[in-house]
Order: sequence, then C-alpha cells, then structure tokens
Amino acid sequence: KNEVEQSPQNLTAQEGEFITINCSYSVGISALHWLQQHPGGGIVSLFMLSSGKKKHGRLIATINIQEKHSSLHITASHPRDSAVYICAVRNNDMRFGAGTRLTVKP
Amino acid sequence: KAGVTQTPRYLIKTRGQQVTLSCSPISGHRSVSWYQQTPGQGLQFLFEYFSETQRNKGNFPGRFSGRQFSNSRSEMNVSTLELGDSALYLCASSLGRMENTEAFFGQGTRLTVV
Repeated sequence: KNEVEQSPQNLTAQEGEFITINCSYSVGISALHWLQQHPGGGIVSLFMLSSGKKKHGRLIATINIQEKHSSLHITASHPRDSAVYICAVRNNDMRFGAGTRLTVKP
Repeated sequence: KAGVTQTPRYLIKTRGQQVTLSCSPISGHRSVSWYQQTPGQGLQFLFEYFSETQRNKGNFPGRFSGRQFSNSRSEMNVSTLELGDSALYLCASSLGRMENTEAFFGQGTRLTVV
C-alpha cells in the first residue's frame, strides 16, 4: 500500500462544477503540499499546509492531521484547471501521491 | 523575479555514459531539492541541499549524486546511465528547508537514455 493515496485517479467535470480531490497518508508529516502539473511537465506549488485550511482564489485546501487526510477543492471549475494534481507529504523526505488527472470540459 | 532554471531542457545519452544536470534557484533561495518523474514510478524524491550540505536523500543508488555551490546553484550527476534512468528530472528551490517553506519548481530536464 502506498504511503500517499489520492482519489480519484481520473476526474472529468463540466465547466462550473465544484471539484474535490482527496489525499490520505499513513506517515507522520511536517507539511503537505498540493501541486499542479500541466502537460509539458512544469509543476506549480498550489498550497503548503500543516493545519487547517487555505484559500487562493477558486482553490481551497484543507487538512485534518488527526485523520491524516487532505482535500483540494476547486470551485467554479474552468477548462484551464485541466491538469494533474499531486499531493505530496513532507517529513525527512518528500513522498508523492500518484496524481489525479482532471479534465474540465467547456 | 526569475524563476527556477534547469539546464539543459532535453538530453539524450547512451547507456553507460554519465550526465550532469544543473539547477539555478530563485535568487535568495538556499534550498534546492531534486526529483525524478517516470510514468511507472511517478514522482520520487532524490535529495535536498541546504547551504551546500545534503540534508536528505531518497532511496536511489549511489550512481545518483549531487552538490550545491556557494551561490545555491545545484548540480546532480548520474553515472553509468541505465535505460531506466530515462525520466523527467525536476528541481525545486525554497527560501529555507522545504519542510517549512513553499517550493518553486523548474520546468525540468527530460533525459532519454538509449
């Protein structure tokens, strides 16, 4: 079993829909990162969380340390949100989830 | 402000050769970390450098090595290349140790071993 599990693996949504991507982990962590990767490989760090909730525009990330679970929400999704979203947990090193491929259709 | 710069962007090498990849962090950032991304294994942590010292290392063989210079620029080296080393190699920089600060990623170097 992977130490960082993401669900779903693939997600297709219509423009405007509310989207949730989940991440569960089984190791102790100092922080959790949500990353976005577009075709071509470039990665953008969306959030770094160690507790609670953060919001940037239409993106919201939450983490529950006791339950070892984090969620990434996208409100009013747009085709430009289409990308792979990756959860990563940090302790002494960095462990990554397999990613969620999101496609938002107009 | 310039972002994280990785060179070269693309590289083709032959089995058995060695390769050196370069990462220039954002000005003022002292931490550089390296990652390997393959279709089969996904993203995997290689190592982290902070103030010219390797702080953490992932589960990779000794053929993978790196260093960081006094200007925070970092290089990683892979010796005796194998076909399985074909991957996208990404580096990220941050102000402090990555566990405490946000990471900024480069565009990556795509290495193909033939």
